[in-house]
Amino acid sequence: DAGITQSPRHKVTETGTPVTLRCHQTENHRYMYWYRQDPGHGLRLIHYSYGVKDTDKGEVSDGYSVSRSKTEDFLLTLESATSSQTSVYFCAISESTAEGYTEAFFGQGTRLTVV
Amino acid sequence: AQTVTQSQPEMSVQEAETVTLSCTYDTSESDYYLFWYKQPPSRQMILVIRQEAYKQQNATENRFSVNFQKAAKSFSLKISDSQLGDAAMYFCAYRSVGFGNEKLTFGTGTRLTIIP
Repeated sequence: DAGITQSPRHKVTETGTPVTLRCHQTENHRYMYWYRQDPGHGLRLIHYSYGVKDTDKGEVSDGYSVSRSKTEDFLLTLESATSSQTSVYFCAISESTAEGYTEAFFGQGTRLTVV
Repeated sequence: AQTVTQSQPEMSVQEAETVTLSCTYDTSESDYYLFWYKQPPSRQMILVIRQEAYKQQNATENRFSVNFQKAAKSFSLKISDSQLGDAAMYFCAYRSVGFGNEKLTFGTGTRLTIIP
């Protein structure tokens, strides 16, 4: 299994508070992604990174920010949590090789509840 | 922006039968990757099969195969000899390959039920 760990695995927080989710990898993969999964919507991309300090927005980036100061860590911050951000969050990693791109490897997911 | 459409929210199939899940995508790119992922109730995302757009031959992995129609922008998944363990959500995904544009976009998923 790919070495990718999300923390925390579960979190309940109050509306208006900042929240940071961490994705840690031991694979030295270049690309890292944050998704949210909601019923009927599949996985929607929040932000992704294509290198240290290189990030870009996905389709649902409003209310979220990210940082990647080193290869192994990709942090997702909800600046001021709202109930609409209650979701399951997944981190994924992938790499490019001489043969092309690998598939994405996923973390276990973080269930976030905003009350 | 690329979009991925899975038009079948739910599908069911009798055990040992064959089922096909559909996926279409919209892109102006000529080079890309396509994937099918499986998500069982454990929530773990598991790669089922992948296809590089430059390859004309359809990918196959044991009981799983794809029908890749590049011109039609279609990427369906066929599961043969369905087994109870195949019950899961199935997601189709598209990966861009341009530098600084390596987004991985998913469809909304198809929930597959296996009928014993």
